[in-house]
Amino acid sequence: NAGVTQTPKFQVLKTGQSMTLQCAQDMNHNSMYWYRQDPGMGLRLIYYSASEGTTDKGEVPNGYNVSRLNKREFSLRLESAAPSQTSVYFCASSSWTSGGYNEQFFGPGTRLTVL
Amino acid sequence: AQSVTQLGSHVSVSEGALVLLRCNYSSSVPPYLFWYVQYPNQGLQLLLKYTTGATLVKGINGFEAEFKKSETSFHLTKPSAHMSDAAEYFCAVSDSGSARQLTFGSGTQLTVLP
Repeated sequence: NAGVTQTPKFQVLKTGQSMTLQCAQDMNHNSMYWYRQDPGMGLRLIYYSASEGTTDKGEVPNGYNVSRLNKREFSLRLESAAPSQTSVYFCASSSWTSGGYNEQFFGPGTRLTVL
Repeated sequence: AQSVTQLGSHVSVSEGALVLLRCNYSSSVPPYLFWYVQYPNQGLQLLLKYTTGATLVKGINGFEAEFKKSETSFHLTKPSAHMSDAAEYFCAVSDSGSARQLTFGSGTQLTVLP
């Protein structure tokens, strides 16, 4: 099992350009998440998908859109990149357990720089 | 709303010394609590978790944490630090909503000195 995979690993954009970050999981998880990580701020939730066919905003959704393409894939789109979106982006997935808790599994991250 | 506070953005210990990373949380419902570790240029890896039951939780790599409801704390400890423990550590709390969202603390960078 590859777990959670993300592409690309690195990306440099110019202000105003658009791009899509891809995420896929092979653990048959129901829920998927996109976070951004900035120094001193921990991880902040951008969007999440509780199950296939649903998406919801997290703490910092402005400037982003998402698509839950199928159960495996969850993409994050920047329509018009801004320097404030320079960050490391992590995708995660999780499933329900009999214990009711939510262990999230993380991908390796995408390092995005917007000039 | 839930929140997590990690006291100390940077902690340095000598190799072989006790590691103590502090985490306090606020939650309106009984929490699920987690510690994740992030090595340089990698994603996050689960160290340990508290759900219900025993309040002293043991995780990987010799780490453990104790859930103290009266103090709303979930501090991470390891009796003897190893050079390989140098990493960033994140405490997180989960809500009880349908997607079980995680709220993370701001992280503590652990440095282990030789």
